Amino acid sequence: AQSVTQPDIHITVSEGASLELRCNYSYGATPYLFWYVQSPGQGLQLLLKYFSGDTLVQGIKGFEAEFKRSQSSFNLRKPSVHWSDAAEYFCAVATAIDYKLSFGAGTTVTVRA
Amino acid sequence: ETGVTQTPRHLVMGMTNKKSLKCEQHLGHNAMYWYKQSAKKPLELMFVYSLEERVENNSVPSRFSPECPNSSHLFLHLHTLQPEDSALYLCASSQDRNLRDGYTFGSGTRLTVV
Repeated sequence: AQSVTQPDIHITVSEGASLELRCNYSYGATPYLFWYVQSPGQGLQLLLKYFSGDTLVQGIKGFEAEFKRSQSSFNLRKPSVHWSDAAEYFCAVATAIDYKLSFGAGTTVTVRA
Repeated sequence: ETGVTQTPRHLVMGMTNKKSLKCEQHLGHNAMYWYKQSAKKPLELMFVYSLEERVENNSVPSRFSPECPNSSHLFLHLHTLQPEDSALYLCASSQDRNLRDGYTFGSGTRLTVV
C-alpha cells in the first residue's frame, strides 16, 4: 500500500519569504500526487496535482510542486508567501489500482508579519 | 462555496444519543466519501460509495452507519459513540472515482462526543 510522509509538522515563515513544504511517498510505480490546503474551519481545497508529463506542476494561489522520482518526493513551493497562506497543507497519493487518496499528516504553516 | 455542503457544521452529542451527519453535492459526481480527521493524525478514509453502492468500508466500527440514498446525498448515522470519536468528519465527492480532478471536499462537521 502507498504511504505519504510530511516530515515537517509546523513551519513558520515571514511574509514575502519563500516557502517549501516537503512530501515523500512510498509506492512502487508512479503514483498520482496531490497537494491540498485547509484553512481553519474549512474543508480541503485542491492546490495542484501530478499524474504524468512535466514534473513541475503549477497550481492555484501561486503554488508549484516538483515531482522527483529518484527521491520519491513531491515538494510544494511558493516564491513569496502572503499572510493568507497561513493554513494546513496536506500531501496525498493515489494509485491507478485502487484510486484511493492517502493523506500525509499535514504541515501547519504560520506566516509572521 | 465548494459544491459540497455538510450539515451541521458543529455537533455535540452524548454517548447514548443518535444523530446523523448530512452531505449534499450538486456537482454531478457519482462517488462520495466519508473521511475522519483527528488532531495530529492523517485523514482516515471511512467509507466509499460509487453509484450509490458502498464499495469500501475501512474497518469502521458499526456505531458509524453510512447511507447513500442517491448520488447527491450521503449520510453518516451515529449511535452510542465514544469520546475518541470526536473529530472533524469530512465528506468528499468525485466523478467515477476518477482522480483526474481530485476530490471536492465539504467544510466538515466538527463532532464532539461528551
